[in-house]
Amino acid sequence: KAGVTQTPRYLIKTRGQQVTLSCSPISGHRSVSWYQQTPGQGLQFLFEYFSETQRNKGNFPGRFSGRQFSNSRSEMNVSTLELGDSALYLCASSLRGPPETQYFGPGTRLLVL
Amino acid sequence: EDQVTQSPEALRLQEGESSSLNCSYTVSGLRGLFWYRQDPGKGPEFLFTLYSAGEEKEKERLKATLTKKESFLHITAPKPEDSATYLCAFQGGSEKLVFGKGTKLTVNP
Repeated sequence: KAGVTQTPRYLIKTRGQQVTLSCSPISGHRSVSWYQQTPGQGLQFLFEYFSETQRNKGNFPGRFSGRQFSNSRSEMNVSTLELGDSALYLCASSLRGPPETQYFGPGTRLLVL
Repeated sequence: EDQVTQSPEALRLQEGESSSLNCSYTVSGLRGLFWYRQDPGKGPEFLFTLYSAGEEKEKERLKATLTKKESFLHITAPKPEDSATYLCAFQGGSEKLVFGKGTKLTVNP
């Protein structure tokens, strides 16, 4: 089976812009979660989607949003980018969600200038 | 608030020198404990899932154990290719996966 794929792999934006990241889960997986990874804070949970519905959300501002499509693919959007949003954004999928094992994609490296 | 602490932050071993990584947690209603390995610039790679105290799992040179308060990742006779950051994560009643900051392992030949 193909693993979790994320596009784009690298992205450079400037402050104030917005960005959309995409994630395709493992075939058959219906739960998709997003994480932000920075050197200082480590991996932090953003949100989880299952069957096109957001089931759980982390402690991030409303500038961070997401959605899931009927084919389980998911997108994450960050509006009004700030320098502190520079991070590795990771997507993970599982069959049905917690407490099942989540499998991670390679991530999207976002740099905000 | 759910918290996960990993120690040590960094560990340097000689090839063949066995050791253990620790992961302690304060999580309400533990539902699962996960170990991942992450290489620089890549996403975490799944290693083990443990669901109850006393459970153990092994894979090649790695063995994960779980108690009511902590988990250990034992590395037996490590090789240079085992060098990576090892992450543990707990899932509690909130159903959010809470990660530790990781242990960066370096194995010298």
